Amino acid sequence: AQSVTQLGSHVSVSEGALVLLRCNYSSSVPPYLFWYVQYPNQGLQLLLKYTSAATLVKGINGFEAEFKKSETSFHLTKPSAHMSDAAEYFCAVTSKRGGSEKLVFGKGTKLTVNP
Amino acid sequence: KAGVTQTPRYLIKTRGQQVTLSCSPISGHRSVSWYQQTPGQGLQFLFEYFSETQRNKGNFPGRFSGRQFSNSRSEMNVSTLELGDSALYLCASSLGGGAAYEQYFGPGTRLTVT
Repeated sequence: AQSVTQLGSHVSVSEGALVLLRCNYSSSVPPYLFWYVQYPNQGLQLLLKYTSAATLVKGINGFEAEFKKSETSFHLTKPSAHMSDAAEYFCAVTSKRGGSEKLVFGKGTKLTVNP
Repeated sequence: KAGVTQTPRYLIKTRGQQVTLSCSPISGHRSVSWYQQTPGQGLQFLFEYFSETQRNKGNFPGRFSGRQFSNSRSEMNVSTLELGDSALYLCASSLGGGAAYEQYFGPGTRLTVT
């Protein structure tokens, strides 16, 4: 069964500092991997998606993630944090089998950005 | 294009009652998925509907059910509510079923069971 582990339920950075949110996956078949962001009292918004076209995936709002098969990782990074990045971030995985995949989410990482 | 809408946004119910939540997908989207979000369990998949058929189902008791109409709008129903059903219920729509299609989430319905 697929699973996702997000290391660190809370991450705090200073404005302008590097953001690094960690995600490791477990999948028996080549996965699709996703990062979603959730702002307070809102639904989830897709930041980026890995579908095997390229190992470095660029997303919205300056975020990117690198797929590393040898490490089964898909960490999310942003070179310079902005106050507006404060939110909860979720990594998710699904298999690439056709038809009835479902998204399996990690527990989430709450990002705080300090001025 | 209008996003995914969910009604109601907030709901308070009593144990033992039943509740119906509604989701209107983005125009043209045929797949609707439902998720439960709680602080303890995180985001958990409930079920997915595509063209009025349930394609996939998560590990929830039979008290949780859903349906999809011909216009792709979907409802989920929870019968005999328990305190543990208090959660944010999120609906997501996509053009088609399967991982290739991006899911667009609604703002959720916050259900409180007292």
